[in-house]
Parts: sequence; structure tokens; C-alpha cells
Amino acid sequence: DAGVIQSPRHEVTEMGQEVTLRCKPISGHDYLFWYRQTMMRGLELLIYFNNNVPIDDSGMPEDRFSAKMPNASFSNLKIQPSEPRDSAVYFCASSQTGELFFGEGSRLTVL
Amino acid sequence: DQQVKQNSPSLSVQEGRISILNCDYTNSMFDYFLWYKKYPAEGPTFLISISSIKDKNEDGRFTVFLNKSAKHLSLHIVPSQPGDSAVYFCAAIITGGGADGLTFGKGTHLIIQP
Repeated sequence: DAGVIQSPRHEVTEMGQEVTLRCKPISGHDYLFWYRQTMMRGLELLIYFNNNVPIDDSGMPEDRFSAKMPNASFSNLKIQPSEPRDSAVYFCASSQTGELFFGEGSRLTVL
Repeated sequence: DQQVKQNSPSLSVQEGRISILNCDYTNSMFDYFLWYKKYPAEGPTFLISISSIKDKNEDGRFTVFLNKSAKHLSLHIVPSQPGDSAVYFCAAIITGGGADGLTFGKGTHLIIQP
């Protein structure tokens, strides 16, 4: 299995631009999580889905952030408009039995 | 309020010696704990876990100890090897109440010196 696949690996954009991060979970996993890693706050849960349905989005920082999971094999996280403080590594993870499998992350830099 | 705390941002240990990484939690409802290891430019990978009904779990060079009364767990690596240099995240979860995401600590950067 290829594992959790995230794209892009690196994104550099200017403040105000829309950013879309993508995730393909491991086939058969029915939970999908989006995390953000920063030096100050470590790993934070943003949102998670169960069977494509958002269950808890209380970690989403503000309305500029949105996430969707249109089907079992894809999810995206959008930031619009992006701000410099959104610069971080964004991880997607999937799970079936509780153990999380992480993607390699998308490093976002907002100038 | 941080529910899972790793108070040491970094730790330096000599190769061959024991590495001890500590983690404290505040939510007494947590009943399952995990350690993840993260290399630069990679996602965290699962290392070892422990249920709250146990106080010790061992897997090769890695042992996790849980002290529920102190709300404290630790990861022991014996002997430490250069490949163990990484960031280690402690995580906790309340099982049985749904699949809430893990609550992570901020991580401890372990550096193994030759």
C-alpha cells in the first residue's frame, strides 16, 4: 500500500491567495484527520471525518479554513485567503482501528 | 489549555545509553497513550502504545511506562542508537467515546550523540 498521500509537499504563496492541500487516505480507512504542526503549538487537530462526514471541526482556526471529503479516497483543506500566520506543516492521517497513519505533510509558507 | 505536555523540547543522549522521554497529561479520562516518532520532512510514525489498564509495555529497545496516579508516562530507549535521533510526540486519546483525534504534546527532539 502506498500509504497516505499528500500534495503538494511544498507550497509557497503570497498573502491573500487561496491554498488547497490534498490528501488521499489509505484504502479502507474510514477515518481521516487533518493536523497542523507549528513550533509554538506542536501538532494540532484541525478536523476529522468518519465515512466522509465531518465529525469535529472545532480545531479549525477560523472561517478562512475549510475542509471537504467528497469521497472515501480524497479530502482537501482550503485556506482562503491565506495569511503569513498560516505557515506550517499540514498533515493528513487516516485510520481504521485507531492507529493513525500519517502522510509526509505539506509545508506551507505564506509570504 | 494543553492537556498533553512534553516539557523538554530537546534531549541529548550519548549513543549506547538510555534515553528517557517524559510526558504528562491533565485529563484523567485519557485511557490510551501512544508515542510517535518523526524524522525531518516526514510524517509522524507510530512507535509504541499503552492502555491505561497496564503500567508497562515493551517492544524491543522501546518501553513505555505509565503512572496513572501521577498522570505521567515515559518512553525508554535502551540502548540509544544514532537512528533514534528524531522528534518524539506523546499522544493521548479517550477510547470508546468515539474516534476523537489524538491530543498531542509539542514533541521532544532527541539527539543521539556518537
